[in-house]
Amino acid sequence: AQTVTQSQPEMSVQEAETVTLSCTYDTSESNYYLFWYKQPPSRQMILVIRQEAYKQQNATENRFSVNFQKAAKSFSLKISDSQLGDTAMYFCAFIPNQISNFGNEKLTFGTGTRLTIIP
Amino acid sequence: EAQVTQNPRYLITVTGKKLTVTCSQNMNHEYMSWYRQDPGLGLRQIYYSMNVEVTDKGDVPEGYKVSRKEKRNFPLILESPSPNQTSLYFCASSPADFSYEQYFGPGTRLTVT
Repeated sequence: AQTVTQSQPEMSVQEAETVTLSCTYDTSESNYYLFWYKQPPSRQMILVIRQEAYKQQNATENRFSVNFQKAAKSFSLKISDSQLGDTAMYFCAFIPNQISNFGNEKLTFGTGTRLTIIP
Repeated sequence: EAQVTQNPRYLITVTGKKLTVTCSQNMNHEYMSWYRQDPGLGLRQIYYSMNVEVTDKGDVPEGYKVSRKEKRNFPLILESPSPNQTSLYFCASSPADFSYEQYFGPGTRLTVT
């Protein structure tokens, strides 16, 4: 079974600063996908960024980037030039290759990090 | 607009009164799934469906039922709700094309008293 751990329940940072959210995972799979989801106060789940394990290059999406360390099973999210709209709960999630998962696209989520951007 | 819809968005009910939370997607997705979100636990999968008439249990299926009679709809049924089913529920769908991009509904906040 896979597990995802987010060790920072809450974080806060000043607007315009850079913040890094940590995530570690445990799996015996060699091919899998990792995600960061954002959940603002509206409760909508929004995909922020996705990383495929077989790709060595770290994914980036505008101000969001990841540091993917496969050997260490670490997948941190860096938010640059943080904005007030980044205030949200952030979830790290994992999904193994579908073939080994028998078609169930189950996301295994961490417990979340509540990020507050301070004006 | 491509979307997943859930109804109701908020529901307060009493123990034992059967209820259904509807989920519908307009993207012709094969795969649909239900999650519940609880503080300190993240999101956990309740049931999933890979296609019409194909459903299976996730990690926390006890107390829930689902059906998939049409491709677009995947209702979650609580036959006899209990207070421990008070939670935030999300429906999600995916094209099952190995993109692993899941589209989430807006969530349903359920309170069972």
